[in-house]
Amino acid sequence: GQNIDQPTEMTATEGAIVQINCTYQTSGFNGLFWYQQHAGEAPTFLSYNVLDGLEEKGRFSSFLSRSKGYSYLLLKELQMKDSASYLCAPMNSGGYQKVTFGTGTKLQVIP
Amino acid sequence: GAVVSQHPSRVICKSGTSVKIECRSLDFQATTMFWYRQFPKQSLMLMATSNEGSKATYEQGVEKDKFLINHASLTLSTLTVTSAHPEDSSFYICSARDLRGGQGDTQYFGPGTRLTVL
Repeated sequence: GQNIDQPTEMTATEGAIVQINCTYQTSGFNGLFWYQQHAGEAPTFLSYNVLDGLEEKGRFSSFLSRSKGYSYLLLKELQMKDSASYLCAPMNSGGYQKVTFGTGTKLQVIP
Repeated sequence: GAVVSQHPSRVICKSGTSVKIECRSLDFQATTMFWYRQFPKQSLMLMATSNEGSKATYEQGVEKDKFLINHASLTLSTLTVTSAHPEDSSFYICSARDLRGGQGDTQYFGPGTRLTVL
């Protein structure tokens, strides 16, 4: 099975930087996704990490350490529209490579 | 990125009726699609894995006779909620994995279908 742990809620100021941490335990690991989900909408893809290290994509970066079962999502130059839930989702390596979602981190960006 | 569509986006039905939800990958082929359900303020829960040309793989606790999945082609999977009841009211979301080279492994979600059973 899989166990995913990330903070339930975070608050940050517009223009600032915020880091959302995620630890996970999986029976087999084949990469980790980060998604953004606004209330009432489906998740949108942000990043996929399979190798250790930092992947940068515009204002968003994602880091992975496979040995530590740890990932983080870094959001820079926060904007009000970044207020959403951020879902850490590891993918297992067996069978159909299922992706499991935690409850996500609800980020509120304030002026 | 790749596009996944779902239809309908919203449906209201009476208790006891059946509802079919379609999931399409518009610009890529997906041998595997996934169906999730999300209740308010809860995480996405995987219901089943839909495989083109074979039977779906259901997660523990999901009734296969109630949630019928058909992956008719490489771009279409359907989920039919049979004999729907109010407790089936939820946000149903499909996803498909895009394995085309150059982008790594990316899983894209459809926009979701909000089902309300009266």
